[in-house]
Amino acid sequence: AQKITQTQPGMFVQEKEAVTLDCTYDTSDPSYGLFWYKQPSSGEMIFLIYQGSYDQQNATEGRYSLNFQKARKSANLVISASQLGDSAMYFCAMREGLSGGANSKLTFGKGITLSVRP
Amino acid sequence: DSGVTQTPKHLITATGQRVTLRCSPRSGDLSVYWYQQSLDQGLQFLIQYYNGEERAKGNILERFSAQQFPDLHSELNLSSLELGDSALYFCASSVVGQAADTQYFGPGTRLTVL
Repeated sequence: AQKITQTQPGMFVQEKEAVTLDCTYDTSDPSYGLFWYKQPSSGEMIFLIYQGSYDQQNATEGRYSLNFQKARKSANLVISASQLGDSAMYFCAMREGLSGGANSKLTFGKGITLSVRP
Repeated sequence: DSGVTQTPKHLITATGQRVTLRCSPRSGDLSVYWYQQSLDQGLQFLIQYYNGEERAKGNILERFSAQQFPDLHSELNLSSLELGDSALYFCASSVVGQAADTQYFGPGTRLTVL
């Protein structure tokens, strides 16, 4: 089974509107971390936001927030007030196990392309 | 700018050749990770080093090897290159020990094997 599932093939949003990018995950480890990264057309991977499995509140970072629903194993990224510069590929990733553990690798989803229309 | 540097940015070589990709982590980060991004495989973890020692191995081919030096920079060596090795290779670094242990990625090295 895929550990990270991003099924939306491509998303379009009007500038200044909010958009939600979906991510579901699969793990049996009670300790894990969820990350979102942005990859613009230039290719670099930019860290956006992190949610720990034991965090009681949803993470927020500026215009980015994470809608964490643990029972449903979903970690959707919400971008508010979209800007043209938000057009990019967005990846959801998971680290299983505690931070600093023997295996801190990230497992990535296939990504979602977001296009912001003026 | 994540603070992670990778050189070269682009690399074009022929099948059968050997190349070395270099990565310098963010100041203070002890852990270095290598990832490969290709169209068919997506983003895949290759290998992790922590303070000079190999920590974890992913889907890394035997033709590939890596090391982390005392100054914490890392090199990924790819040998007997095949067309299918063409990909974007990322290095990432993290502190390890913090709750998030966020991995910050370098700009990547785009390898083209002809």
